[in-house]
Amino acid sequence: SQQGEEDPQALSIQEGENATMNCSYKTSINNLQWYRQNSGRGLVHLILIRSNEREKHSGRLRVTLDTSKKSSSLLITASRAADTASYFCATEPDRGSTLGRLYFGRGTQLTVWP
Amino acid sequence: ETGVTQTPRHLVMGMTNKKSLKCEQHLGHNAMYWYKQSAKKPLELMFVYNFKEQTENNSVPSRFSPECPNSSHLFLHLHTLQPEDSALYLCASSLSRTSGRGNEQFFGPGTRLTVL
Repeated sequence: SQQGEEDPQALSIQEGENATMNCSYKTSINNLQWYRQNSGRGLVHLILIRSNEREKHSGRLRVTLDTSKKSSSLLITASRAADTASYFCATEPDRGSTLGRLYFGRGTQLTVWP
Repeated sequence: ETGVTQTPRHLVMGMTNKKSLKCEQHLGHNAMYWYKQSAKKPLELMFVYNFKEQTENNSVPSRFSPECPNSSHLFLHLHTLQPEDSALYLCASSLSRTSGRGNEQFFGPGTRLTVL
């Protein structure tokens, strides 16, 4: 399967704590993206990291990519109750007929308690 | 708002009904996608259109029929659905299918479909 797999499936933390979610994948990629989904809503793009990048920041988000291990992590610092959502990683293969297609994992459900 | 709208937001239909889902994007994108999201399953890609041409049909049953009259609009026509087709149907768009700059996709809010 080319899908990413997020870990853990569910994460529950207090406001102010950091949340770390991991993603593993199996094929070589062009880029890896993280998306967020509030319950019953569409996905919102958070950040994209290319295969030649190792780390990227956007506000309270920090994403790392280790292509040798085929893994990525998403860190949300100083979490807030409003960060409660499902977080998905999506990989874009770098070759073949699947070029341009995104493969999504099952997601990590993050709950941040006030 | 992501610039992608979907109507209706909720739809309940019987197995013999015919209905259509509509998606519209105001982002000037050229690629549009239909996804199905069921509980506890990864997001399933159904169809891809690039510059109004269907480039991918991910083995979707013929009771789902897509239509892309122009780069801004995408429809999903539904006919003789089964209860297991109940799911959240998401539309997305991107600059193009292979933009070369990363295929960042913008999603609509989805249509929650229930088939009785």
